[in-house]
This record gives sequence, C-alpha cells and structure tokens, in this order.
Amino acid sequence: KQEVTQIPAALSVPEGENLVLNCSFTDSAIYNLQWFRQDPGKGLTSLLLIQSSQREQTSGRLNASLDKSSGRSTLYIAASQPGDSATYLCALNYGGATNKLIFGTGTLLAVQP
Amino acid sequence: GAVVSQHPSRVICKSGTSVKIECRSLDFQATTMFWYRQFPKQSLMLMATSNEGSKATYEQGVEKDKFLINHASLTLSTLTVTSAHPEDSSFYICSVLAGGTDTQYFGPGTRLTVL
Repeated sequence: KQEVTQIPAALSVPEGENLVLNCSFTDSAIYNLQWFRQDPGKGLTSLLLIQSSQREQTSGRLNASLDKSSGRSTLYIAASQPGDSATYLCALNYGGATNKLIFGTGTLLAVQP
Repeated sequence: GAVVSQHPSRVICKSGTSVKIECRSLDFQATTMFWYRQFPKQSLMLMATSNEGSKATYEQGVEKDKFLINHASLTLSTLTVTSAHPEDSSFYICSVLAGGTDTQYFGPGTRLTVL
C-alpha cells in the first residue's frame, strides 16, 4: 500500500519568508507527482506537475522538486504572501490505465501579514 | 484548464434520505471522472472511478450499493449517497480526466451534512 506523508502538518510563517513543504512516499515507481492548493471549503487548484523523468518544475514563486530514489518531493515557495495561506497537497499518480491519484496528508500553511 | 462544476455546493439532509450530487465537465467531454471524499482535517480519499457508459470501479472499502455512480453522458457523472447517515457527512469532490492527458481537473466540492 502506497503511503504519502507530508511534513509539517501545519506551518505558520511571517510574510516574506521563503519556505519548503515536504512530501514523502514509500513506493517510488511513480508516473508523475502533482502539487495542489486547497482553500478552506473549496476544491483543488493544480500548482505544478512533475513527470517521473523530471527533477523539478517552476511556476512563478513556486518550485517543485522530485527525487524518486529517496521518495521525496519538495515545494519551495519564495517570498511568501498572506494570499498563499491554504492547505497544500501532494498527489502521486502511478500511471497505468487508471490514472488514480493518491493524496498526501496535507500541510496547512498560514502566512502572517 | 478545464472547468468542472458540482451541484449542489452544500446540502443538509435527514438521516435515511438519499442525496444526489452532480459533477459536470463544462468545456470538454470526459470519459473518466473520479469521486473523492474528504473528512475534516484529512486528505482526499478516492472513492471510485466513473467511466462513461460502463460501471464504476470502486476502491476497496467503498460500498457500491451505498454510493451509486452514474456516468450516462460524456459531461455528467452523478454520485448518489443512499440512506445517508451522519457518518457520511463529508466533503465530496469530483475530478475530470482530460482526454489524451493524465491531468485531472477538480470541481469545487459538495459539503454534505447528514443530521
């Protein structure tokens, strides 16, 4: 059974700080990995998708890395803003015919103004 | 990205009643949709994969007779929670698999509260 763990479970930082969110997984035979953002009571917004052959992806202030051999991915947020406050979820796709996503436990981020 | 809608956004019902939740893909046809459930302060758990024109595939531990899924068209999948109980209270989210890709687009979710 694949397990996906995110550390820390919650994080509070002052505005302007750079921060790193972590995602660990036990089965490294992934097809791709995706980072999502979820605002309270809302659906998911896709942030970045990394294919298994890639090492990192960047979008604006966000950078996601993938190290399959160690079963880890990180999401780096530069110059954090209060609007970044949300729950961040990583999700693993092991491919095949199903394209099912296995979600991590999530990190609740609060950026203090 | 694709636009996915869910209806209703919020529903409160009495124990024992059935509730239908709709998931619509607004700008492309989807042969595959997914239904997830999210309990408070927990992550999303896949319930079932909805395939247009065929039976849904349920994850282990999800009762197919309790959570009825119908995917009768390429733009609509419905999830019916039958004989709902308070423990079924949760946030239900659908996603749509973009054809020819491995990208899922998520709906805004439906908050179900069973009294």
